[in-house]
Amino acid sequence: QQPVQSPQAVILREGEDAVINCSSSKALYSVHWYRQKHGEAPVFLMILLKGGEQKGHEKISASFNEKKQQSSLYLTASQLSYSGTYFCGTVTTGSARQLTFGSGTQLTVLP
Amino acid sequence: EPEVTQTPSHQVTQMGQEVILRCVPISNHLYFYWYRQILGQKVEFLVSFYNNEISEKSEIFDDQFSVERPDGSNFTLKIRSTKLEDSAMYFCASSLGRQEAFFGQGTRLTVV
Repeated sequence: QQPVQSPQAVILREGEDAVINCSSSKALYSVHWYRQKHGEAPVFLMILLKGGEQKGHEKISASFNEKKQQSSLYLTASQLSYSGTYFCGTVTTGSARQLTFGSGTQLTVLP
Repeated sequence: EPEVTQTPSHQVTQMGQEVILRCVPISNHLYFYWYRQILGQKVEFLVSFYNNEISEKSEIFDDQFSVERPDGSNFTLKIRSTKLEDSAMYFCASSLGRQEAFFGQGTRLTVV
C-alpha cells in the first residue's frame, strides 16, 4: 500500500516556499525522501525514523508525525536546482525493509 | 564516493526473450533491491534481497522474474520471457540496513 503524496504538482518562483505531504494508512517505521531529475536515478535527501523527529538539509527540511503516519517536506527559498520529482518512500513497521514509494510530486521552480 | 553501478544502461530486446540486468551494489551493503519505473510514473518496488534470499517481493514480481547474487559483488534481475509492458527503467539499490537506499543510474529496458 503506497503512501499518498500531495500535491501532485507544484509550480513556484525562485525564492518561494513549498510543502509536500506524504501520508500512509499503515504504521510506519521510517519515511525516506528522494528527489529525481528527469532521466536520472532517485537521489536520497533524508530519512526520518519514528519518534516525530524533524531533519534539515540546507534549505530542505522534513518532519514526521508518527501518530498521524504523515511526513512533510519543506523547501524554503527554493532554487532552480530544486526542480524535479519528489518521492516519499515508506517502510512500515511490519516490513523488513521494503521501501514503497508514493506517486511523486512534480516540483517546477521558475526564474 | 561508493556508488551502485548498473549494466547495461540501455537494453533492447524482442518480446519473449530473456534478459538479465546486472548490478554491483555498494560493497559493504547488506540489502539489495530492484525497482522499476515505467516512463512518467512512480518508482515501484519489485524485490528485496538479504542473506542470499528474497526477503520481500511485490505482486509485480511474478514467476517471470528472478534475482540472484551469483558471486560476492553482482546482483542480477532476470526476466524470463519479456512482454511489451516490461518496458521500463529498472533501478537497483542497496542499503546497509533499514536506512537510506542508494540507487544506481538504472537500465532502460525496451521490449519490442
